Amino acid sequence: DAGVTQSPTHLIKTRGQQVTLRCSPKSGHDTVSWYQQALGQGPQFIFQYYEEEERQRGNFPDRFSGHQFPNYSSELNVNALLLGDSALYLCASSFTFLGVETQYFGPGTRLLVL
Amino acid sequence: GQQVMQIPQYQHVQEGEDFTTYCNSSTTLSNIQWYKQRPGGHPVFLIQLVKSGEVKKQKRLTFQFGEAKKNSSLHITATQTTDVGTYFCADDEETSGSRLTFGEGTQLTVNP
Repeated sequence: DAGVTQSPTHLIKTRGQQVTLRCSPKSGHDTVSWYQQALGQGPQFIFQYYEEEERQRGNFPDRFSGHQFPNYSSELNVNALLLGDSALYLCASSFTFLGVETQYFGPGTRLLVL
Repeated sequence: GQQVMQIPQYQHVQEGEDFTTYCNSSTTLSNIQWYKQRPGGHPVFLIQLVKSGEVKKQKRLTFQFGEAKKNSSLHITATQTTDVGTYFCADDEETSGSRLTFGEGTQLTVNP
């Protein structure tokens, strides 16, 4: 059973460019959340997708957008990249069972903005 | 929004010593989850605490949730080099779906 997968693993962009990161959830999971983890810090919640819609959003600007596809996979798009967007971007998939929802994190995409 | 503070930021121990990391909040925590992140890796779920005063054990790891649900701790007995990594607590706000607010983490190094 494959876990959460993300692509690409590493990416280098320059300021002002746009980037798309991809995530395939664990089999059987229908919810995908995205987190940004700056170096030496804890992950910060960006947003969550469920049933192809953004269900929750953290304190991130509109430059950060996403999408969920019918097969539950998801994309994170960041426009007009800033140096401060350099971070590890984590995707977490989950499903709710008996009222308990556990998130499983993927290996992440390391984004460097120059 | 919810803020979760975690101390200490760093902890260096000799192999065989015990280790504890603490998670605190000024407001009531919903559910606490603990994660371990190895260097260069991603967070891996360890456990979830839901009830006030709850204590759970996983081999050498003991997790506690405070009576007032404003703090939590992770204690590792007799650390091993395989325990190296950063340990995060996260509050699961569970509004319309799980939403984790992470602490800053405690980075544990173990000297053999």
